[in-house]
Amino acid sequence: DTAVSQTPKYLVTQMGNDKSIKCEQNLGHDTMYWYKQDSKKFLKIMFSYNNKELIINETVPNRFSPKSPDKAHLNLHINSLELGDSAVYFCASSPHRLGSPVRRDSPLHFGNGTRLTVT
Amino acid sequence: AQKVTQAQTEISVVEKEDVTLDCVYETRDTTYYLFWYKQPPSGELVFLIRRNSFDEQNEISGRYSWNFQKSTSSFNFTITASQVVDSAVYFCALSGGSQGNLIFGKGTKLSVKP
Repeated sequence: DTAVSQTPKYLVTQMGNDKSIKCEQNLGHDTMYWYKQDSKKFLKIMFSYNNKELIINETVPNRFSPKSPDKAHLNLHINSLELGDSAVYFCASSPHRLGSPVRRDSPLHFGNGTRLTVT
Repeated sequence: AQKVTQAQTEISVVEKEDVTLDCVYETRDTTYYLFWYKQPPSGELVFLIRRNSFDEQNEISGRYSWNFQKSTSSFNFTITASQVVDSAVYFCALSGGSQGNLIFGKGTKLSVKP
């Protein structure tokens, strides 16, 4: 019944490694997002995909590469992990559909987060 | 530019006290939406309320109430008779993105002590 699910919940890895975080939503939403929450709890958007198409790409290092195999999935792959990548990463979805008026009234549905620790 | 400011970083109250969390926003949009989310110690983000820019009516839901004032660009959140379970980080957010993404304030950590 989970609407937006992320795996893994915890990820501990060493600097230089490559890792992936998976996200799936069963709400039938067209848009998915990745947000990063830093150690001070600040939430900031990283990427947004609408029906498998990249829409938003904030100033994120190109070591971060989102991949959307279908509109229900948005995975985040991170290459050459650095200490500063340690954070909680949240996946989210919303019903906004490209070409339609933006559904700004719709709250984002968040996953439970993935706590990434780089040592 | 669009921005959300939550000036209170941390608030500590004793159970049963009332507490108000402040939120001030900036936007040039004429139509926009404001949200509050709760993040308990377990870490998930829980949606609490949505308010659109045309509706300045205050809203009450149980012990929670929200005061939206367009004139001061504020959307404050009050918890009446606080309980220990209200302890969490509360985020105010604005739907400022062109694709429906949210712009968050930095959050206010509320600690309710027994």
